[in-house]
Amino acid sequence: EIVLTQSPGFQSVAPKEKVTITCRASESIGSSLHWFQQKPDQTPKLLIRYASQSISGVPSRFTGSGSGTDFTLTINGLEAEDAAVYYCQQSSSSPLTFGGGTKVEIK
Amino acid sequence: QVQLVQSGAEVKKPGASVKVSCNVYGYRVTQLAIHWVRQARGKGLEWMGSFDPEDGETIYAPKFQGRVTMTEDTSTDTAYMELSSLRSEDTALYYCTTEAGDRWGQGTLVTVSS
Repeated sequence: EIVLTQSPGFQSVAPKEKVTITCRASESIGSSLHWFQQKPDQTPKLLIRYASQSISGVPSRFTGSGSGTDFTLTINGLEAEDAAVYYCQQSSSSPLTFGGGTKVEIK
Repeated sequence: QVQLVQSGAEVKKPGASVKVSCNVYGYRVTQLAIHWVRQARGKGLEWMGSFDPEDGETIYAPKFQGRVTMTEDTSTDTAYMELSSLRSEDTALYYCTTEAGDRWGQGTLVTVSS
């Protein structure tokens, strides 16, 4: 089973600042890495697919990068509505797995 | 546009089974591979498995193998996830989602309590 390790587990960031969340896979997964955002009491929302592909309707301040074992989700210019938990997920091999999540708090 | 609508909350006793449904609207269920993900209160997301209608194959996470069954009813465009031998640790919100991850059901709360 591929283990995804996210860091940090928690971040408190002021509005307009940049947020960087990393996701490390226990083995190479190519670009089969996706990012989700989950706000309190809401269902997860797909932000980025296949490491760096943008999703229609998702603000352009969300970008993804990486391949192999190391991936990054960047939020350029944090907004109050971005307070949420962010998860990475790999679809390279079964069982699909999620990272442990990164909670982003607005300072 | 695909919409997934799940069945309502369930309360079950330990050892019982639960069957959660996921109605697909806007597409035929045969056109989608439906995945199931669960989330215990205050915890992260946990992938349980998926049903691929193209070949009728199911893939289950090892943790649930032997306890979970995922099926589909093509006549009603409904996907099902049945979990047996329930224990308190199975208390969670259960979601169905598309393979692309871009559509999610609203979640079904399953509570296991004696």
